[in-house]
Amino acid sequence: GAVVSQHPSWVICKSGTSVKIECRSLDFQATTMFWYRQFPKQSLMLMATSNEGSKATYEQGVEKDKFLINHASLTLSTLTVTSAHPEDSSFYICSAVRGSGANVLTFGAGSRLTVL
Amino acid sequence: GDSVTQMEGPVTLSEEAFLTINCTYTATGYPSLFWYVQYPGEGLQLLLKATKADDKGSNKGFEATYRKETTSFHLEKGSVQVSDSAVYFCALSKNYGQNFVFGPGTRLSVLP
Repeated sequence: GAVVSQHPSWVICKSGTSVKIECRSLDFQATTMFWYRQFPKQSLMLMATSNEGSKATYEQGVEKDKFLINHASLTLSTLTVTSAHPEDSSFYICSAVRGSGANVLTFGAGSRLTVL
Repeated sequence: GDSVTQMEGPVTLSEEAFLTINCTYTATGYPSLFWYVQYPGEGLQLLLKATKADDKGSNKGFEATYRKETTSFHLEKGSVQVSDSAVYFCALSKNYGQNFVFGPGTRLSVLP
């Protein structure tokens, strides 16, 4: 079945540093990937849509300069949290659409970011 | 815009009890409907889906029927287990996965 790998699953960093999270589709090509943020006991908040070979589309209220998204290949999208602050601490989840005409999202296991 | 509403949790049941988690949606057109499950500390996993009216999705003893007349997709299971404890998200999608809308999630706790 379709597998999406997310790395790292858990990261702690100091305030002011940048953190990169990778999202890989292991056995299929993903032209579109999505990045979500999830606060404790809440639903997923869509941050941006990442399309291979083009700029990401950010949702309203999401700072594109803070959350840099790159989708350089059909199997990899990265989210970089730049100059992280404690309020950026959250659970970040990616998902991928398998090819075209497929109406199912496959999710990564998530990455928990803690900024000290 | 499109939206998904779920019953508020948390829902606490005893093992082997009957489960219903209500889900209703508002959408233009003909969306596909999904239930995703999130176990503690993990991402979301697809539980079941239905792509058109009257379709029934089923998996691992869970079922949900796409009811267009009531715009609902209620999740049911006849006998829950402790291992079913998780957060359940109802979702809809149009345009082949380009627009997913999630409900707020319902936390289920099953006690032995």
